[in-house]
Amino acid sequence: DAGVIQSPRHEVTEMGQEVTLRCKPISGHNSLFWYRQTMMRGLELLIYFNNNVPIDDSGMPEDRFSAKMPNASFSTLKIQPSEPRDSAVYFCASSGGQGAEAFFGQGTRLTVV
Amino acid sequence: SQQGEEDPQALSIQEGENATMNCSYKTSINNLQWYRQNSGRGLVHLILIRSNEREKHSGRLRVTLDTSKKSSSLLITASRAADTASYFCATVPQTGANNLFFGTGTRLTVIP
Repeated sequence: DAGVIQSPRHEVTEMGQEVTLRCKPISGHNSLFWYRQTMMRGLELLIYFNNNVPIDDSGMPEDRFSAKMPNASFSTLKIQPSEPRDSAVYFCASSGGQGAEAFFGQGTRLTVV
Repeated sequence: SQQGEEDPQALSIQEGENATMNCSYKTSINNLQWYRQNSGRGLVHLILIRSNEREKHSGRLRVTLDTSKKSSSLLITASRAADTASYFCATVPQTGANNLFFGTGTRLTVIP
């Protein structure tokens, strides 16, 4: 397996634009996590899915953020409209069971100008 | 952070020395995990210790867990320059949920 795959690796966009980040988890994993990493706030859990169902989205900062998992092999994190303070590295991770180790993608570095 | 804190925030040692990083967390846990992150990369899982375990070893890594103090430590023995990275602890709550909350991380620099 190629591991968790995120795209794009880098994204530069103007304030107000819609941004969509994509993630393909490891085949067979039933949990998927979205994290945001910044110097100021560290690694924040935004949302996690179990068997494609959002279980906890309490970390999603605002209504501008939304996440979907239409099937077991694909998830998106959307920001609309984007703002400069959304600039961060966004990681997707997947795991194979409750409490199991998580496997991370390489991240998407988002810059909103 | 959403769950825990590591200390120190930064640690600089000479190659061959041991490095100890500590993690404190807030709620009851199912397990605690340690991860490593090289600059610009994703996190990589190192070791998992369950709430009923007190110590675990993996190669040059030794992890301890004290649930009464809600703390854990990661010891890297005989450090190498390649160990230079940030190290994070992460906790899975006892509630049965699968949230994985990360601490603030320790930046380790091993000087050759």
